[in-house]
Amino acid sequence: AQKVTQAQTEISVVEKEDVTLDCVYETRDTTYYLFWYKQPPSGELVFLIRRNSFDEQNEISGRYSWNFQKSTSSFNFTITASQVVDSAVYFCALSEEYGNKLVFGAGTILRVKS
Amino acid sequence: EAGVAQSPRYKIIEKRQSVAFWCNPISGHATLYWYQQILGQGPKLLIQFQNNGVVDDSQLPKDRFSAERLKGVDSTLKIQPAKLEDSAVYLCASSLSGGSNQPQHFGDGTRLSIL
Repeated sequence: AQKVTQAQTEISVVEKEDVTLDCVYETRDTTYYLFWYKQPPSGELVFLIRRNSFDEQNEISGRYSWNFQKSTSSFNFTITASQVVDSAVYFCALSEEYGNKLVFGAGTILRVKS
Repeated sequence: EAGVAQSPRYKIIEKRQSVAFWCNPISGHATLYWYQQILGQGPKLLIQFQNNGVVDDSQLPKDRFSAERLKGVDSTLKIQPAKLEDSAVYLCASSLSGGSNQPQHFGDGTRLSIL
């Protein structure tokens, strides 16, 4: 069965600090997809990134970067030079090869203080 | 493009009453999902539709929850009768197809409070 663990319940940082959100997953499939979503106070889940299990290249998008390591079943998310607008709950999610059923972690609350 | 639309935004009912939520997915998206998000937890899939057919409803409490997507576009989710533990945010999402590489796009959700 698939499982996603986000061990950090809540993180507080001061603006301009870098912060890394951890995500560890379990799956028996060899083909799977990993996602990160952001949930601001408004409640909508905003899609950030998708990664497939065969692509271990790290990705950078502006201040966001993602580190996918199959050897440790981790897909960590780093925000560089954090801003107050980054304050939100961040979810890591996994879907296996068939069905597009997303299994979410419990989420990490990120608070960025000015 | 317009996003996923959900209504109502908030709903307060007493236990044992019934309630219905509505979702309009992104135009052209064949796959529609309903999730339940209890406070402090990640969303949990309740039901997945591909066009107007059910793909997965294994986690839907069928004794009280029902959902339909009659014309393959809009969908409604109903709870009857509601229990206290149903207090949650109900999120609707849609994707272009049911492929696992397809990102799901979410609506703002309906926050349900049971008194």
